[in-house]
Formats: sequence, structure tokens, C-alpha cells
Amino acid sequence: DQQVKQNSPSLSVQEGRISILNCDYTNSMFDYFLWYKKYPAEGPTFLISISSIKDKNEDGRFTVFLNKSAKHLSLHIVPSQPGDSAVYFCAASGDNAGNMLTFGGGTRLMVKP
Amino acid sequence: DTEVTQTPKHLVMGMTNKKSLKCEQHMGHRAMYWYKQKAKKPPELMFVYSYEKLSINESVPSRFSPECPNSSLLNLHLHALQPEDSALYLCASSHDRWVEGGYTFGSGTRLTVV
Repeated sequence: DQQVKQNSPSLSVQEGRISILNCDYTNSMFDYFLWYKKYPAEGPTFLISISSIKDKNEDGRFTVFLNKSAKHLSLHIVPSQPGDSAVYFCAASGDNAGNMLTFGGGTRLMVKP
Repeated sequence: DTEVTQTPKHLVMGMTNKKSLKCEQHMGHRAMYWYKQKAKKPPELMFVYSYEKLSINESVPSRFSPECPNSSLLNLHLHALQPEDSALYLCASSHDRWVEGGYTFGSGTRLTVV
């Protein structure tokens, strides 16, 4: 039973346009959400996070939106750059999970020059 | 120092071998983790150490044996592995309570069991 789902395994976007990566979760106890970016042969690197008390968090070109009622979050990258091409993982955690993160299956983003 | 260092980067071992994966961090993090990642799959939690004590074991087979000698080091001892254990093994660390940023991951050890 996947508690965190990324339904799009891949996404292709033109350079300069917006990339929107989506993530759905089922566990209503999750209260902290993160996005990680992963290049081949490297470990995931933290990108941006959001607490359930917020509905938006912005950091430069990256914005994460949280819709608690829909149990949905999204990552917007504007403008997209070729260096953004990577696999993006959504992850979630809750007070009752200690420090454990539950990861989604990942979305491979390809930004074309 | 804001890194988690894992060695070796690549490891090929036979099913009868004994080997160890090593992980080191000097960020003062008191929680450390082992994750396993198969191709095109998300990282799966194996073990969690909190203040050098094993706090979570996600029903991992005994052929994987974790060890936390001190607050900066985390080992994963491997013995009698199977080919299906071939994967990327990721170490991560974090503060004991959640802070912005969650985990810091190492680059991983690519393990191949032959």
C-alpha cells in the first residue's frame, strides 16, 4: 500500500517553461512534506519542504503547494533549466512516524534546451 | 562539513563473502539511516539509529547487520547476500527532531552481488 504516490513517472518540459510535478498521499497523519532531487549515481538532495500549517512555500525558482483537503502537493519550477533534469522524489513524514520518511516513486524530469 | 560520506562507492561481492559499507557524517546529527534503492524505485528504509541506538529495523533479513560505533559513524555489515540484494545503498543523517531539510543523504554504495 503506497502512502505517497507520484503518478507521472516522467515529464518533459521546454527550457524556460514551467515544470509541475505532482504528489498524492493517503495518510492523514502526515504533516511535513519534502521534495528531493536525484541525479544518477548520487544520493537524493533536499530541495524544498512544507509544513502542513502552510499551503505554499517558495524558494527561488521552486515553489511547493499543499492542498490538505485533497491530500495533494505539487512542485513548481519556473523557469525550468536543463540542469533541473533529474528524478524528483516527494516524501512525507508525521509526528507518529518519528523521523521516518515515506517516499513516492519519483518523477523523471527532462528539460529540453 | 555538510556532507555524508559513504565508502566504497561501488562493491561487487560473491554470495559467500563478508563485506561492510561505511558511512560518516560530522554535522552533529544524532539520527542515522540506511536506505536501499532498486532501479526506478523509491528509497526503502532499512534501519534507523537514534543516539547510537537501533530504533527501527524494517524487518530486514539478518544477512544485513547494522552497527553504529559512535555518533559520526554507521556501518552495514553484509554476509551471505543474494543477487536480489543488488541495489544502491544510501546512508542519511538528520537532527533528532525535524528541522527544515529533513535528511542529508550520502552518494550511496552501488552493490552488486554475483
